[in-house]
Amino acid sequence: DSGVTQTPKHLITATGQRVTLRCSPRSGDLSVYWYQQSLDQGLQFLIHYYNGEERAKGNILERFSAQQFPDLHSELNLSSLELGDSALYFCASSVTTGGNTGELFFGEGSRLTVL
Amino acid sequence: DAKTTQPTSMDCAEGRAANLPCNHSTISGNEYVYWYRQIHSQGPQYIIHGLKNNETNEMASLIITEDRKSSTLILPHATLRDTAVYYCIVNNNDMRFGAGTRLTVKP
Repeated sequence: DSGVTQTPKHLITATGQRVTLRCSPRSGDLSVYWYQQSLDQGLQFLIHYYNGEERAKGNILERFSAQQFPDLHSELNLSSLELGDSALYFCASSVTTGGNTGELFFGEGSRLTVL
Repeated sequence: DAKTTQPTSMDCAEGRAANLPCNHSTISGNEYVYWYRQIHSQGPQYIIHGLKNNETNEMASLIITEDRKSSTLILPHATLRDTAVYYCIVNNNDMRFGAGTRLTVKP
């Protein structure tokens, strides 16, 4: 158990819909990272938040948005869903940011299926 | 894009050492090298990291060349459970993962 909690574990929805994925980082971790992993693909970095502020943005579509709340949990919002958005979405947390990010602790992922 | 280059796949015999190379020729002086692995569709698992010196922990050893342009992850006695995708990443603010090396440990 990494200490990072992601909900829901599985989600099935239709094209055009909107979903929210939630991540609770390990206690004390200020950084949250979101990744997308399509079938048999590598991990695609989406976005990084540190203590409520966006720190880095990767290949995140405009239809996607994220935020980190004062209690440090984070949400990834996916809207106008397309079939290609079907993927595993991982959240990871770490203690620090900057010169040495430190060890990333990953959640078990949220598997999104868009029909 | 990831700042590292790794072979797409490697095989290793069970019980033998698995040596996984990684090139990171554009690494900056204050960037660390991290290794993670992902077993099937589980969340990636941290293995080890280093800056300049070689590092060892209960899972693996990390050898970093003197010029820091490449490194090797060593699993000293590979088991079938070490079959996974291994990612080498250079630390920066966004921790981007490349395609990794798919290691298959064979009986």
